[in-house]
Amino acid sequence: QKEVEQNSGPLSVPEGAIASLNCTYSDRVSQSFFWYRQYSGKSPELIMSIYSNGDKEDGRFTAQLNKASQYVSLLIRDSQPSDSATYLCAVFTGGGNKLTFGTGTQLKVEL
Amino acid sequence: KAGVTQTPRYLIKTRGQQVTLSCSPISGHRSVSWYQQTPGQGLQFLFEYFSETQRNKGNFPGRFSGRQFSNSRSEMNVSTLELGDSALYLCASSTGASGANVLTFGAGSRLTVL
Repeated sequence: QKEVEQNSGPLSVPEGAIASLNCTYSDRVSQSFFWYRQYSGKSPELIMSIYSNGDKEDGRFTAQLNKASQYVSLLIRDSQPSDSATYLCAVFTGGGNKLTFGTGTQLKVEL
Repeated sequence: KAGVTQTPRYLIKTRGQQVTLSCSPISGHRSVSWYQQTPGQGLQFLFEYFSETQRNKGNFPGRFSGRQFSNSRSEMNVSTLELGDSALYLCASSTGASGANVLTFGAGSRLTVL
């Protein structure tokens, strides 16, 4: 079992719709969770961080965390073509700053 | 303020050669992590340095090594290059406290091994 799992997609949504991206993780003691966005040919950039159960909203983005189910999700409201990218779920595992990434979900927002 | 700077951005090497990549973290950041990104494996953790000490290491062979200098700049070295080492190598910096830190990535060094 992979430590962090994501559906690779592509996930296609029409412009203006809600995109829902999901991630599960295996290490129950994980405490910090992140969503990064990566455009083709670019490096990952942080969108959201979440540390406690529940929802965290930032503009059009909402991160949801359920530690009991070991599940993290990212909702993107009013999706725009500029949101088309690969979304990486990342979890801190172990000591220090070791970040374990999922393989990413490719999102395509269609006009 | 300046972001994470990686050099060189692109390089081409042949099998058996060795390569050194450099990373300058954000000013004030003391932790530097290195990741390898390939289409098949995604982002894989290589190692992390904090205050010149390796704090964490991923599952890579000993051909991959790194170090950090007193000014927090870091280098990674890959010896005896193999075709499979072709990848985007990403450096990320953070303030350094364990666990909850946001990592900021550099633009990466794209290595092609022929």
